[in-house]
Amino acid sequence: SAVISQKPSRDICQRGTSLTIQCQVDSQVTMMFWYRQQPGQSLTLIATANQGSEATYESGFVIDKFPISRPNLTFSTLTVSNMSPEDSSIYLCSAGYVSGQETQYFGPGTRLLVL
Amino acid sequence: SQQGEEDPQALSIQEGENATMNCSYKTSINNLQWYRQNSGRGLVHLILIRSNEREKHSGRLRVTLDTSKKSSSLLITASRAADTASYFCATARDFNKFYFGSGTKLNVKP
Repeated sequence: SAVISQKPSRDICQRGTSLTIQCQVDSQVTMMFWYRQQPGQSLTLIATANQGSEATYESGFVIDKFPISRPNLTFSTLTVSNMSPEDSSIYLCSAGYVSGQETQYFGPGTRLLVL
Repeated sequence: SQQGEEDPQALSIQEGENATMNCSYKTSINNLQWYRQNSGRGLVHLILIRSNEREKHSGRLRVTLDTSKKSSSLLITASRAADTASYFCATARDFNKFYFGSGTKLNVKP
């Protein structure tokens, strides 16, 4: 299994600013993902963080708004850019080892409130 | 969207009773997994069932999968107050990309 930590655990930000969320895994993983969970809702996949190349974004999410980095096999960042109150959500990082068959492990999430 | 639906949206039971949650999805899958989330925190993996399996058990959990109906159910037997949480199913088709169901909020009253 993988143990995942995220920083910060929560933040309150002003609209128009940007926040970078860090995700650290305690072992090398094949896949890393970023999800958003809006208040009272389910999780929506934002993008797959690819090591050494540009992230793969899901429909409705774009790189200019959610730039993602993955410099190595244990670390990724998600930036929420030019924030608005609609970006208030929990952002979760997850990691997995093998494509198609295995469990994903989730971080504790970053709770973001945009005023 | 590949996201599935879960029902019921909310379920309230007494401690000791069984809780059943259902999940339906839209596309073919490699596997389906169930997760628990306490109070908007991170997700805890409960159980994975592969597309060629029909039933799986883990402790007090029993999961079934019917690929012809594109549905799954999670049964928690002899529930405890500590089982109070939101439960999500997640389907995987490509490279571990997960699509989550809408979730069931379970409240177990002591």
